[in-house]
Amino acid sequence: DGGITQSPKYLFRKEGQNVTLSCEQNLNHDAMYWYRQDPGQGLRLIYYSQIVNDFQKGDIAEGYSVSREKKESFPLTVTSAQKNPTAFYLCASSIDRDTPGYTFGSGTRLTVV
Amino acid sequence: GQQLNQSPQSMFIQEGEDVSMNCTSSSIFNTWLWYKQDPGEGPVLLIALYKAGELTSNGRLTAQFGITRKDSFLNISASIPSDVGIYFCAGQLGDRGSTLGRLYFGRGTQLTVWP
Repeated sequence: DGGITQSPKYLFRKEGQNVTLSCEQNLNHDAMYWYRQDPGQGLRLIYYSQIVNDFQKGDIAEGYSVSREKKESFPLTVTSAQKNPTAFYLCASSIDRDTPGYTFGSGTRLTVV
Repeated sequence: GQQLNQSPQSMFIQEGEDVSMNCTSSSIFNTWLWYKQDPGEGPVLLIALYKAGELTSNGRLTAQFGITRKDSFLNISASIPSDVGIYFCAGQLGDRGSTLGRLYFGRGTQLTVWP
């Protein structure tokens, strides 16, 4: 079955450490996205990529980095520069930037202690 | 970024009641979508709307694309306990081929259904 897989589901890290969240899709989608979700704040866009080897900053990119070396994969690194990294992170993909409707992964809950 | 104002923020209803929520924007959107998120999971697409005035149903769910293209509504009839979750509206700006094709999300409506 085609889908989008995020791993791990739960992640704990010490303050000051970088951490990378995985996102893989086998839907043959061109576009991929990372969102951050905090209670009562909805979904805020961190980074997005519309094609391999290209990506753009979203609304809250500071303290995050991404890469898009393969169509299937769009990992997100939460760096030590992110002031408040504890959150629920959602990865999504869409066929292309013009086709409405994203498919979401099941999310990674990151807790920094 | 674009601001979508979604209301109400939360709803507490009894099983069997109908539910209405809406989303408004200061910008014109070409597409409106409604998603549902179960606790600890990613959002799942419920309904997509592509034309102003369009009314679309999916089982007990009905959504409308506002005539002004700046708003959308979602109704749930005869609610059941499994309707519990967060409902998000989302809109897409721009014409095909523009970089404005990304989705913008409302802050969500948290629905609680009492048996």
